[in-house]
Amino acid sequence: ETGVTQSPTHLIKTRGQQVTLRCSSQSGHNTVSWYQQALGQGPQFIFQYYREEENGRGNFPPRFSGLQFPNYSSELNVNALELDDSALYLCASSLGRTPKETQYFGPGTRLLVL
Amino acid sequence: GESVGLHLPTLSVQEGDNSIINCAYSNSASDYFIWYKQESGKGPQFIIDIRSNMDKRQGQRVTVLLNKTVKHLSLQIAATQPGDSAVYFCAEKGGTGGFKTIFGAGTRLFVKA
Repeated sequence: ETGVTQSPTHLIKTRGQQVTLRCSSQSGHNTVSWYQQALGQGPQFIFQYYREEENGRGNFPPRFSGLQFPNYSSELNVNALELDDSALYLCASSLGRTPKETQYFGPGTRLLVL
Repeated sequence: GESVGLHLPTLSVQEGDNSIINCAYSNSASDYFIWYKQESGKGPQFIIDIRSNMDKRQGQRVTVLLNKTVKHLSLQIAATQPGDSAVYFCAEKGGTGGFKTIFGAGTRLFVKA
């Protein structure tokens, strides 16, 4: 186990709704990255947070937003859900934001949009 | 654009044999290359990484080889065990991609008893 936890484990929403997913980092880790993993594909980078600020973003629309809290836990918010948002959402924490730092992944939240 | 791809989507090996999983990458400026293992219902698990200034790195039962000339990365698993059955992803980060980790599509490894 990596020490990274995510909640909830599963979630069902309908198109147009909003969702909030949560991630608790491994102890001592100040950087959190979020990924979307569609079925049968590799994870796609959404964004990264370092010390409560967004450190960079992948090719996702603004309706994907996030927060990082003083304890370095994090939230991913998705507004106006679309069917294609159905996926496994993964968070990963690391000791820092530089590429040399290993990322440790949580088990993911599986989101189904109907 | 940047991409990290895998040669084969599925690999089947006999228990006890060595496994070799291959990966091609396109960004010559990438600085780190990483292998992850993902079991069903779990998040990716870090296996081993290699920096671009190296061509080989060994871990416990695993070896990663990097050939920058042909932009090729491989993961060798010695004495493959049933517990090695999973999807394996290569990924790259650093260089022009910076902090982003770019994953390939994955190779599913089946270990036959």
